[in-house]
Amino acid sequence: GESVGLHLPTLSVQEGDNSIINCAYSNSASDYFIWYKQESGKGPQFIIDIRSNMDKRQGQRVTVLLNKTVKHLSLQIAATQPGDSAVYFCAENNRRGGSYIPTFGRGTSLIVHP
Amino acid sequence: EPEVTQTPSHQVTQMGQEVILRCVPISNHLYFYWYRQILGQKVEFLVSFYNNEISEKSEIFDDQFSVERPDGSNFTLKIRSTKLEDSAMYFCASSAALQTGQPQHFGDGTRLSIL
Repeated sequence: GESVGLHLPTLSVQEGDNSIINCAYSNSASDYFIWYKQESGKGPQFIIDIRSNMDKRQGQRVTVLLNKTVKHLSLQIAATQPGDSAVYFCAENNRRGGSYIPTFGRGTSLIVHP
Repeated sequence: EPEVTQTPSHQVTQMGQEVILRCVPISNHLYFYWYRQILGQKVEFLVSFYNNEISEKSEIFDDQFSVERPDGSNFTLKIRSTKLEDSAMYFCASSAALQTGQPQHFGDGTRLSIL
């Protein structure tokens, strides 16, 4: 099974609402997590990251929360805009050999209605 | 903002032929990666590359695949004797550092279609 997964494959929201996208991970040794946004026809775009020594990190309109007790990660988008419509992936990163290797979830499709 | 560029954006190849996918990572990055994404599926790690050698590879990255950094700017993925199941989006990524965990910056991918 997947070590990283998303609870909701599709999330529909109205413009201006807040969005919350959830992610579960299974490797308690993972120490670095990243949220990516992928628009149609484009590569994953970095949104925000968080290390395991933190439980919250804020960016511009986005907040990532990390709950290591239940191995859960969430991405909160404030005042969602139509341009936020995309697939959002979380990635848990593990040090393997000489690299940090991400394991991606399948993604959640966020649809923002004007 | 610097970005990772990939060429071509779409490659159509006959089964059994060799393809080379090209990437120009961000200029001051030291770590380079290839991923693939089969339509409708997760992004999957293929290989990471540092200091002119492979540092990690997945079970997908078998003898059919090879990577090379032929000069100071390009990073290539070669697929020999392509199969139908190699059809996918292939993404190149680069990152600045390893020890503290740095986000990988992705290109927009090459869509590989094997006929």
